[in-house]
Amino acid sequence: GNSVTQMEGPVTLSEEAFLTINCTYTATGYPSLFWYVQYPGEGLQLLLKATKADDKGSNKGFEATYRKETTSFHLEKGSVQVSDSAVYFCALSGSGGSNYKLTFGKGTLLTVNP
Amino acid sequence: NAGVTQTPKFQVLKTGQSMTLQCAQDMNHEYMSWYRQDPGMGLRLIHYSVGAGITDQGEVPNGYNVSRSTTEDFPLRLLSAAPSQTSVYFCASSPKGPGQNQPQHFGDGTRLSIL
Repeated sequence: GNSVTQMEGPVTLSEEAFLTINCTYTATGYPSLFWYVQYPGEGLQLLLKATKADDKGSNKGFEATYRKETTSFHLEKGSVQVSDSAVYFCALSGSGGSNYKLTFGKGTLLTVNP
Repeated sequence: NAGVTQTPKFQVLKTGQSMTLQCAQDMNHEYMSWYRQDPGMGLRLIHYSVGAGITDQGEVPNGYNVSRSTTEDFPLRLLSAAPSQTSVYFCASSPKGPGQNQPQHFGDGTRLSIL
């Protein structure tokens, strides 16, 4: 079945540091890939997505590139802010018969200190 | 815009009690789903629905029932609560299923404790 593995947290950075959160996946066919963000006490919000190989999703300074050859979708940001402190989830939706299910990674807690 | 509304926000139950978690969306979305979020486990799909009158099981359906009598509402029922069902529950919706590149719209969650 489909699975998503993302780097264990928590991750603690200073403001303006570079961020990478690794995400790799296992899926058949051509899944769509997503990053969701959860701020404290809230539900998940879509951060960015990519629907085919070599697509780059971007939003609010965050980027992730769909790499089919390495089955990866790593999240990056060049300069984090305190307001980026949240839990980040990598997720995929499968193609074909599994296309009604969204599979999530376990989440990575990011804390950014001033 | 209300989006996806979940009620209640918090609930404490005793083992064996029953309750219904409510979820409503006002975006005319066909697809709705329920997840539970546990520490170190991420989000796991409980049940989902692709339209009124149609439901199916996700990864962890045991102990939960759902129905979809209208497009707007997708309640989750715990018939006999167990401590293992202590969790944060999220409802989500989208115009079509996630496999059609549809990002999910999430509610703010219901924090449920079973004593």
